[in-house]
Amino acid sequence: RKEVEQDPGPFNVPEGATVAFNCTYSNSASQSFFWYRQDCRKEPKLLMSVYSSGNEDGRFTAQLNRASQYISLLIRDSKLSDSATYLCVVNGNNFNKFYFGSGTKLNVKP
Amino acid sequence: GAVVSQHPSRVICKSGTSVKIECRSLDFQATTMFWYRQFPKQSLMLMATSNEGSKATYEQGVEKDKFLINHASLTLSTLTVTSAHPEDSSFYICSARDGRDEFFGPGTRLTVL
Repeated sequence: RKEVEQDPGPFNVPEGATVAFNCTYSNSASQSFFWYRQDCRKEPKLLMSVYSSGNEDGRFTAQLNRASQYISLLIRDSKLSDSATYLCVVNGNNFNKFYFGSGTKLNVKP
Repeated sequence: GAVVSQHPSRVICKSGTSVKIECRSLDFQATTMFWYRQFPKQSLMLMATSNEGSKATYEQGVEKDKFLINHASLTLSTLTVTSAHPEDSSFYICSARDGRDEFFGPGTRLTVL
C-alpha cells in the first residue's frame, strides 16, 4: 500500500468555484502533513502546513482527520492562477522523511 | 524564504556517461538534504537522504553505486548518476531542510540518449 494516495483528477472547475481534494495516508504514526503546489515542470512549493485543529490561509483551508487518516484541502473562489497539481505530503516512520502523493491536477477555466 | 539552487537545470548526455548534479542551500546551512526523482505524470519519489559528513541513506530499490551522493559541506550536496541509461531520464529535485521547513531546488531535467 502506498504511503500517500490522492485522486489524480483532473478536476476541471470554473472560476469562482469551490473545490476540495482529499488525500489518505497509511501510517497512523505520521505527525507532519503538508500541501504543496507544483506547476508544470517546476519544483514543488509549500502551500500550507496542516495542523490538527485545521488551518486557513485566505481562500485555502486545510484539515486533518486522524481517525480516518486523511487530510483535505479546500479552495474557495478559484482563480485561473490556482491551476496546478496539488501534492499531499506526509512524514513517515522516520520523521525526517517525507512522502509525496502523486498529486491532484486542478484546471480552473474562465 | 530560504533558497536552494541546483545546477545544471538541464542536461542531455549519451548513454554510458556520468552526470553530476549540484544542490546548494544559499542562505542557510543544511545538515540534511534530500534527493527526489520525478518521472512524467508521477509524484516525487525520495531516492536518498544526504547527510553532511556521513554516508547517504538510500531508499529501497535505489542503487547506491549508481547514484553517488556526496554531502561534503553544510551547503552542498552532489548527486552523480553513473553510467546513465535512457531509463534514468527524469526530473531530479533536491531539497534542504531548515528546521521544520523543506525547501526545494528548481530541479534538473536529465535526458539520456
